[in-house]
Amino acid sequence: GENVEQHPSTLSVQEGDSAVIKCTYSDSASNYFPWYKQELGKRPQLIIDIRSNVGEKKDQRIAVTLNKTAKHFSLHITETQPEDSAVYFCAASKKAAGNKLTFGGGTRVLVKP
Amino acid sequence: DTAVSQTPKYLVTQMGNDKSIKCEQNLGHDTMYWYKQDSKKFLKIMFSYNNKELIINETVPNRFSPKSPDKAHLNLHINSLELGDSAVYFCASSPEGLAVETQYFGPGTRLLVL
Repeated sequence: GENVEQHPSTLSVQEGDSAVIKCTYSDSASNYFPWYKQELGKRPQLIIDIRSNVGEKKDQRIAVTLNKTAKHFSLHITETQPEDSAVYFCAASKKAAGNKLTFGGGTRVLVKP
Repeated sequence: DTAVSQTPKYLVTQMGNDKSIKCEQNLGHDTMYWYKQDSKKFLKIMFSYNNKELIINETVPNRFSPKSPDKAHLNLHINSLELGDSAVYFCASSPEGLAVETQYFGPGTRLLVL
């Protein structure tokens, strides 16, 4: 089955700096890679996703890159703000696996003002 | 317009009891899921249903039994609760499509077994 590894497990950045979170996956057939943000005590919320037919996607201060050959994808947050502090999860999925999301272990991001 | 809702939000119970968690979505989605988030925040799929049919059944103890009375509802019944069942249980839903579709999560049910 799919295995997703996520690094780092914690990340502390100064407000205004960039944050990068990296994930690797094991199943080359996975073709959908969402990123979820989870604030303390809240539900995971989708912030951006990417499909295997594109290499990069951007939405304002957030971007995701995908390297299918190397089986890794990354989340980039620029100009970080205190409200970006949360736990971020990457995940991988494919239709043949019933759309189930296999999550990475999460990255706790702290943006220091 | 709550989208994906769960009840109860908190559940504190004794070992050995039986309890149920309910999930409802008003998004018109065809597929619903149960995920478990443990104390280390790790999220793992438990079950999924598509139009009331069980699609995914991960290696979950058979004390856990999902039930989908219709495609808008997916309930989770847990028998003989154990300490290790303490976790946050998230329901999610997604539309049906030719490709994998985005999953939307409910607010979670925080289960504490004493």
